[in-house]
Amino acid sequence: KAGVTQTPRYLIKTRGQQVTLSCSPISGHRSVSWYQQTPGQGLQFLFEYFSETQRNKGNFPGRFSGRQFSNSRSEMNVSTLELGDSALYLCASSPTGTQNIQYFGAGTRLSVL
Amino acid sequence: KQEVTQIPAALSVPEGENLVLNCSFTDSAIYNLQWFRQDPGKGLTSLLLIQSSQREQTSGRLNASLDKSSGRSTLYIAASQPGDSATYLCAPTNFGNEKLTFGTGTRLTIIP
Repeated sequence: KAGVTQTPRYLIKTRGQQVTLSCSPISGHRSVSWYQQTPGQGLQFLFEYFSETQRNKGNFPGRFSGRQFSNSRSEMNVSTLELGDSALYLCASSPTGTQNIQYFGAGTRLSVL
Repeated sequence: KQEVTQIPAALSVPEGENLVLNCSFTDSAIYNLQWFRQDPGKGLTSLLLIQSSQREQTSGRLNASLDKSSGRSTLYIAASQPGDSATYLCAPTNFGNEKLTFGTGTRLTIIP
């Protein structure tokens, strides 16, 4: 079974631009969660999607948004990028949510210049 | 609000030693707790998941314990190997909140 796939692996953007990151969960998994990892703040929860619905949301500004498609693939979008958005963005999938083991992808490293 | 602390922040031990990593959390109303490892620049690998009703979970040389009432979990690594060098993170999940709350991690170095 293929693992969680995140694309692209690396991104370089400039301030003010927007970016879209993609996550393909393990086949059969319906829950996808997104996390931001920075040296200063550690790992912080962004949001979770289950069956195309946002089920939970962390404390991030509205510039961070996401969606999930009918095949469970998920995208997150960050608009009007700021320098502080530079981070490793990780997504995790599980069959139904955090009642199960969360499987993480390798992440997308975003650098904002 | 759940807060998770991991002590020590960094640990170096010679190969072959047994070691214990600690995790404390402030809200004991957890559903489960997971331990992960993260290699530099990589994603997270799940090591063990302990349900709130369990006290221990074992996988190979790893053993995780959970004391929900005192808000503590430990990860015991037996006969450490250089390949165990990584950052170890614990993450409880609370009822009614479908997210992992991560500690800051313990960076483990096994010296050959």
